[in-house]
Amino acid sequence: KQEVTQIPAALSVPEGENLVLNCSFTDSAIYNLQWFRQDPGKGLTSLLLIQSSQREQTSGRLNASLDKSSGRSTLYIAASQPGDSATYLCAVSFSGNTGKLIFGQGTTLQVKP
Amino acid sequence: DVKVTQSSRYLVKRTGEKVFLECVQDMDHENMFWYRQDPGLGLRLIYFSYDVKMKEKGDIPEGYSVSREKKERFSLILESASTNQTSMYLCASSLGWAFNYGYTFGSGTRLTVV
Repeated sequence: KQEVTQIPAALSVPEGENLVLNCSFTDSAIYNLQWFRQDPGKGLTSLLLIQSSQREQTSGRLNASLDKSSGRSTLYIAASQPGDSATYLCAVSFSGNTGKLIFGQGTTLQVKP
Repeated sequence: DVKVTQSSRYLVKRTGEKVFLECVQDMDHENMFWYRQDPGLGLRLIYFSYDVKMKEKGDIPEGYSVSREKKERFSLILESASTNQTSMYLCASSLGWAFNYGYTFGSGTRLTVV
C-alpha cells in the first residue's frame, strides 16, 4: 500500500531557530513530491514541488530535499518566524497511481516569539 | 498564477438536502479533484476527473457524485446530506500527469450538516 508519513505530528520552537520537518513514503516510484502549508480553517498553499529527477528545491527560507531510494523528504525552514506557524503537509504522486496525490497527516508547527 | 475558486467558504445544510459544492479553475487544467479533510483522518480523495464529462471514484465516493460539463468547472454533489458529511471540502486542479505538474488548491468549503 502506498503511504506517506510525517513526523513529528506537532513541533514548537522559539523564533529564529532553524528546523526540519520529515516526510517518508513507502514506494520509490514517484512522479513528484509536493510540500503544502495550511493555515487554520483555510485551503492548502503550495510551497515547493520536487520532481522525481530532482534532489532539492529552494524558495526563500525554505529548502526541500528528496531521497527516493530511502523514501524520504525533508523541509528545512531557516530562521523561523511566528508567521511560519501553520500545518505543513507532504504529498506524493506515485507512479502508476494516475497522478493522485497521497497526503501525510501533517506537522503542526508553532513558532513562539 | 492558477486560481481555484470554491463558491462558498461556509455552508450550513439540513439532513436530507441535496447539496452542490462548486469549483472553478481559471487555467486550462485537465485534472480536477475533490477531497474532504477531517481531524485525525487527513485528506481523503472523493472523486477526480481527467477531462470533461469524465469522472473516477476516489477512496471515499459513497454518498457523493460529481459533474464536469465544462473543463473549468467541477461540482461535488451530496445527494442526501447526512451529519457524517460535515467536513472541510477542498477542490484542486493540475495541468496533467507529468513530473513537473503540481496541484493547486482552492480555499475550501466548511460544510455543516444539521
